[in-house]
Amino acid sequence: QVQLVESGGGVVQPGGSLRLSCAASGFTFSNYGIHWVRQAPGKGLEWVAFILYDGSNKYYADSVKGRFTISRDNSKNTLYLQMNSLRAEDTAVYYCAKDGISVAGSFDYWGQGTLVTVSS
Amino acid sequence: DIQMTQSPSSLSASVGDRVTITCRTSQSISTYLHWYQQKPGKAPNLLIYAASSLQSGVPSRFSGSGSGTDFTLTISSLQPDDFATYYCQQSYTTPRWAFGQGTKVEIK
Repeated sequence: QVQLVESGGGVVQPGGSLRLSCAASGFTFSNYGIHWVRQAPGKGLEWVAFILYDGSNKYYADSVKGRFTISRDNSKNTLYLQMNSLRAEDTAVYYCAKDGISVAGSFDYWGQGTLVTVSS
Repeated sequence: DIQMTQSPSSLSASVGDRVTITCRTSQSISTYLHWYQQKPGKAPNLLIYAASSLQSGVPSRFSGSGSGTDFTLTISSLQPDDFATYYCQQSYTTPRWAFGQGTKVEIK
């Protein structure tokens, strides 16, 4: 079955960096684009970033552009999110989500999430 | 940017009730609209894609309809497991995906 497992979250000071990972299994990872979506405590869902199946194109929300970098290693079935210059407003649970098999742009499988807390 | 407005933001309903949640967009998005269910402390789960197609494994009491700017998620007979927050999401403005603000369904 499809599994996505995030890791790498934690507490970091404002201005600091963190790298999240998302390990995928149960599907052909190299055939699908993958998203990062975040959810601040008590708030709604916010799309963060997307990478095409082969890593050739990457897209970012305006709120993280220039600070976050999405990447993937298809040989390791793993997605990454490098987060730099972190701000308090980046505090959230970060989910990786697989692009939909039936309709691209829907998110058909999600990981359990990893919490990032930006605080001094 | 396309604005997405879900209504209501919350509702109280009883087991067995028919529940309808609406998602309205500021411009036409054809049927590039998807619905998710999220329970507290859990990841969202895709219920409906392309406005009206039921995701595999999702109970048939969930249905979606609409096109253009007005969309509806309907739960035909609310079950105890359905108390959750529901989000719509548009994929028309790829690569700028966006979610509605959510509708919390609570027990009356």
